[in-house]
Amino acid sequence: KQEVTQIPAALSVPEGENLVLNCSFTDSAIYNLQWFRQDPGKGLTSLLLIQSSQREQTSGRLNASLDKSSGRSTLYIAASQPGDSATYLCAVKGIGGYQKVTFGTGTKLQVIP
Amino acid sequence: DVKVTQSSRYLVKRTGEKVFLECVQDMDHENMFWYRQDPGLGLRLIYFSYDVKMKEKGDIPEGYSVSREKKERFSLILESASTNQTSMYLCASSHTGRDNSPLHFGNGTRLTVT
Repeated sequence: KQEVTQIPAALSVPEGENLVLNCSFTDSAIYNLQWFRQDPGKGLTSLLLIQSSQREQTSGRLNASLDKSSGRSTLYIAASQPGDSATYLCAVKGIGGYQKVTFGTGTKLQVIP
Repeated sequence: DVKVTQSSRYLVKRTGEKVFLECVQDMDHENMFWYRQDPGLGLRLIYFSYDVKMKEKGDIPEGYSVSREKKERFSLILESASTNQTSMYLCASSHTGRDNSPLHFGNGTRLTVT
């Protein structure tokens, strides 16, 4: 059974700092890994998707990496801003069966002005 | 841009009522999903559908049913609402079998059962 862990559960940083969020998973048989952002009381917004054959993806100030063999992904946020404050979740899509997507429990980020 | 629309942002229902949560997507996605999200428990899959009229149980199907009569619409039904079904409900959709196909979510429905 796939398990996805995100550490830390919460993180508070001053504005302008570069930061890294971590995601680890136990089963490397995945189609892809996706990072989401969730604002309080809202749905999930897709940030980046990394296919299993890729090592990283970039979008603006965000860079996500994937090391499938070690079961790890990181989300790097450059020059953090207060508007980045949200909960960040990672999710892995498994191969086989009904391609189940397993979510981590998220890292709650607060960027302090 | 993919759009997944959930019909209600907030719902308040009484115990024992039959509740319908509606979800519509506009990208011709084969797969549609219903999750619930609770503090400390994360997202849990209730039901999913990979084609019209097809459905599969997720991790926590008890107390719920679903309907998919058209490809773009997936409904979650609470046959007799109970207070332990108070939660945030999230609908999502995606294409089948493509490793570059992301999961797209709606804005969620906050359901309170009193």
